[in-house]
Amino acid sequence: DAKTTQPTSMDCAEGRAANLPCNHSTISGNEYVYWYRQIHSQGPQYIIHGLKNNETNEMASLIITEDRKSSTLILPHATLRDTAVYYCIVRRGGSQGNLIFGKGTKLSVKP
Amino acid sequence: ETGVTQSPTHLIKTRGQQVTLRCSSQSGHNTVSWYQQALGQGPQFIFQYYREEENGRGNFPPRFSGLQFPNYSSELNVNALELDDSALYLCASSLVPPDPGANYGYTFGSGTRLTVV
Repeated sequence: DAKTTQPTSMDCAEGRAANLPCNHSTISGNEYVYWYRQIHSQGPQYIIHGLKNNETNEMASLIITEDRKSSTLILPHATLRDTAVYYCIVRRGGSQGNLIFGKGTKLSVKP
Repeated sequence: ETGVTQSPTHLIKTRGQQVTLRCSSQSGHNTVSWYQQALGQGPQFIFQYYREEENGRGNFPPRFSGLQFPNYSSELNVNALELDDSALYLCASSLVPPDPGANYGYTFGSGTRLTVV
């Protein structure tokens, strides 16, 4: 079973920041937080990952709470092309750290 | 750099038949994983191959089997197809570093849509 809890759906206005929450209260010390998204009829696309510290890349920012029990993915200026299902995943490193997906959050960016 | 390519993109099979799906990993990657995604659900892990050996398996019966070839391409075989096998099958490749605790990401293909009738 997935080790994360996410809202089923969220809406965001185009140009505004989209903040997607994720709870992972049972995360272990050696597990990373990953975010992927899946646009309709495509394979999941990697967005960002982190262990303890906040992370930022060209796509998004990841804010992880100090106790690591929750995190927030931030898309700073959402566009219509960001409409997708967003998956928050925790996984351990090493060669056997496969991804366990939940149902994700359906983000709808509206004009 | 090339991405992950899967073939065919769509396939229709009859219940009881066998099917082989193919995946070409991203250049330089040494690990391939397969996932099954039913309509409206998140992808479910089937198994993973690392250096041509299966090194992880999800809750799927033995009629789901696979191979990884020396060039890191891969096949997923499903025998005795059932109606519930209808799904999007995703292949993902990654480069697993030697450090057993190291972190790495996956690159997914666009999937093969299998319909069993």
